[in-house]
Amino acid sequence: QVQLQESGPGLVKPSETLSLSCTVSGYSISSGYYWGWIRQPPGKGLEWIGSIYYSGSTYYNPSLKSRVTISLHTSKNHFSLKLTSVTAADTAVYYCARMRPTSTSCYPDYWGRGTLVTVSS
Amino acid sequence: DIQMTQSPSSLSASVGDRVTITCRASQSISNYLNWYQQLPGKAPKLLMYLASSLERGVPSRFSGSASGTDFTLTISSLQPEDFATYYCQQTYSTPLTFGQGTKVEIK
Repeated sequence: QVQLQESGPGLVKPSETLSLSCTVSGYSISSGYYWGWIRQPPGKGLEWIGSIYYSGSTYYNPSLKSRVTISLHTSKNHFSLKLTSVTAADTAVYYCARMRPTSTSCYPDYWGRGTLVTVSS
Repeated sequence: DIQMTQSPSSLSASVGDRVTITCRASQSISNYLNWYQQLPGKAPKLLMYLASSLERGVPSRFSGSASGTDFTLTISSLQPEDFATYYCQQTYSTPLTFGQGTKVEIK
């Protein structure tokens, strides 16, 4: 059974960098699939941030692309998210997910529990 | 970006009711449409993929269908554990986009 767990600071100051890690158990991230991040502002809907293929190719939401980096860390079987120059609008629950491939893209099938990140001074 | 529009935004129903939620795509997405269920305070859970394929372990009272750019999630007999928010999501192209959600509440 694949399990994912997000970790990282729950509070980030405006203009600083949000950094989260997703530890995967039950599957080796270097074996296949995409791995991705999705966020959900409090009381609102879901927004795809980006995905990384197990080979290292990345795909980002154009609305965030200039500020986002997703990386694989295969030795420790985790992947990470960095979001720079954060503002209050980046306050959200951040989910990591395994992304099942389709012929055109991918979609989340296994999700972490999510971690709330608040941007505030 | 492909816009996904769900209707209704919320609905009230009773246990045993048949419930239908609709999602419309702003352009053709073939059958690249998924449905997720989100219980309060929990991560979303995949229910249906490719419009009408039931994810393993999901009860058969859930079903999905497609007609052009319109997609439907049906719960044939609503159970207490089904009161949640439901999201559609297109996987036809990036950026992946979700509908705004439909909250199913107890009448």
